[in-house]
Amino acid sequence: EDQVTQSPEALRLQEGESSSLNCSYTVSGLRGLFWYRQDPGKGPEFLFTLYSAGEEKEKERLKATLTKKESFLHITAPKPEDSATYLCAVLGGTSYGKLTFGQGTILTVHP
Amino acid sequence: DAMVIQNPRYQVTQFGKPVTLSCSQTLNHNVMYWYQQKSSQAPKLLFHYYDKDFNNEADTPDNFQSRRPNTSFCFLDIRSPGLGDAAMYLCATSRVWDGETQYFGPGTRLLVL
Repeated sequence: EDQVTQSPEALRLQEGESSSLNCSYTVSGLRGLFWYRQDPGKGPEFLFTLYSAGEEKEKERLKATLTKKESFLHITAPKPEDSATYLCAVLGGTSYGKLTFGQGTILTVHP
Repeated sequence: DAMVIQNPRYQVTQFGKPVTLSCSQTLNHNVMYWYQQKSSQAPKLLFHYYDKDFNNEADTPDNFQSRRPNTSFCFLDIRSPGLGDAAMYLCATSRVWDGETQYFGPGTRLLVL
């Protein structure tokens, strides 16, 4: 059974204070690892898809990396508008399209 | 812009009164998914359609049904809503199911009185 664990559960940062969110996973035949951002009362917004160990993707202040066991979402010089819940999900080889989500990390960035 | 649209954004129903939530997409994707998300929890897959092929998750209650009359539209029917069915319902789409990114709509918040 595919499993995803995200840490920390909540993270409070000062504006400009860089940090990383962790997503540890176990999956049978990784078909993709996905990062989403979710604001309160809204649907998840797609950020990144990673497929193989060593892959990295960047978008503005965010950078996602992938190893064989975990993924990191690095946030550089965050702003208050980066405050949201960040969800990590994996798609395994036997999951037939069913994403396995972590519980999310609630990020709060104070001005 | 291509997108996933859900209507209504908020739905209030009474205990036991059938309700239908709708989803449409302009991405021309083959797969459409319905998720249930309760407060502070991860989204939970209810079922998905690959074209017209319906795939039900084993633990999805019989109270939940779905219809996909064409590529663009998908409906979630809750036949007899209970208080425990109050949640955010999310529709998502992907081009295919194997390794492709799923794009989510804004969600419909369901309240059961």
